[in-house]
Amino acid sequence: GAVVSQHPSRVICKSGTSVKIECRSLDFQATTMFWYRQFPKQSLMLMATSNEGSKATYEQGVEKDKFLINHASLTLSTLTVTSAHPEDSSFYICSAWTSGDNTDTQYFGPGTRLTVL
Amino acid sequence: GQQLNQSPQSMFIQEGEDVSMNCTSSSIFNTWLWYKQDPGEGPVLLIALYKAGELTSNGRLTAQFGITRKDSFLNISASIPSDVGIYFCAGQLTGAQKLVFGQGTRLTINP
Repeated sequence: GAVVSQHPSRVICKSGTSVKIECRSLDFQATTMFWYRQFPKQSLMLMATSNEGSKATYEQGVEKDKFLINHASLTLSTLTVTSAHPEDSSFYICSAWTSGDNTDTQYFGPGTRLTVL
Repeated sequence: GQQLNQSPQSMFIQEGEDVSMNCTSSSIFNTWLWYKQDPGEGPVLLIALYKAGELTSNGRLTAQFGITRKDSFLNISASIPSDVGIYFCAGQLTGAQKLVFGQGTRLTINP
């Protein structure tokens, strides 16, 4: 299957700082990537859809000025958590969308554990 | 918003037993995906289904796309310790790229 990487895998930061998370599709091009967050023992919650070369589409209730998304190339999307606070601590996961002949699939990255002190 | 009802929420079984879980929805999906997530990791794709009635296997795993396109099941035969984890179903609506996720099924295996 297709491979998606995330960096860093784990980050600890002080409250008020900004954190950037990278998501890369390693062996395919992805015009669309997705960013999720996941709280303990819960399912994945979609935050935004990242489209290469255009603005991201945010889900209802997700602050676009706090969670900045940039999809600069067909293999890279970044999520920047600005002015992070302890309540932003979570597991952030990206996915990349691939499509064939009626065979759309999403492959997920390994996730980034963010802890805000 | 769209929701998928996944059941059971958790399962406690003995090694060697077969496992069955399913997802249902009030909406029609054109794609069903099954993922497994280990602690601290991202979901890993197990099986993808694209046609109503499709039955697909991946080793000891078998999944089916329901005829009504509103449900799907995943079976695991002869469970082994490494099957432990959380299994998620996900559906994709026609014309949409976003996935709708089930709540997950947490599988625990007693040796």
